[in-house]
Amino acid sequence: QVQLVESGGGVVQPGRSLRLSCAASEFTFSTYGMHWVRQAPGKGLEWVAVMWFDESNKYYADSVKGRFTISRDNSKNTLYLQMNSLRAEDTAVYYCAREVGSTSCYGMDVWGQGTTVSVSS
Amino acid sequence: DIQMTQSPSSVSASVGDRVTITCRASQGIRSWLAWYQQKPGKAPKLLIYTASSLQSGVPSRFSGSGSGTDFTLTISSLQPEDFATYYCQQANSFPLTFGGGTKVEIK
Repeated sequence: QVQLVESGGGVVQPGRSLRLSCAASEFTFSTYGMHWVRQAPGKGLEWVAVMWFDESNKYYADSVKGRFTISRDNSKNTLYLQMNSLRAEDTAVYYCAREVGSTSCYGMDVWGQGTTVSVSS
Repeated sequence: DIQMTQSPSSVSASVGDRVTITCRASQGIRSWLAWYQQKPGKAPKLLIYTASSLQSGVPSRFSGSGSGTDFTLTISSLQPEDFATYYCQQANSFPLTFGGGTKVEIK
């Protein structure tokens, strides 16, 4: 079935880097926009970044702009999130999610199970 | 950035009740609004997009309405599996933003 599987989470010290991956299966990954969304412990959802299907555009939340980079490899059906200069407030479960549209946002219709990032010294 | 304000933050209801959740945008977002359901320890699930379009596979007891700044999610007859937290999300402009969530609890 249509599936997204995140990996790469873990415990990291403040200021360090981490790269998350999201492997897609059973759908044509290269035709969908893809998002990263996070959820801090006990908190609500926070959108992080989106990239269009053809890599033509990417957008970021102000809280991560300049520190995080979204990318994708359509030949590998994989979405990435490079996270640099990590802070304690980046601690969260990170979800990748498929956008209903390809170059416009309607909603996120397929979600992974999430990967946990903990930033702590 | 567009702020999304949900009310109430929590609601207690019984099976069979009609439940309405409100979402207000800090500026007009036309119909670019989605609703999600999230259960503890699980990923969110898309219920409604473009304010009133029911996502495939979602029961018809869920409905969405509104445009501009004021939106509602209605559950016409609450079922046991509907006890969860619900979020709205604006898709009008970047950065995308979510409401703070509404927890639907068992009375």
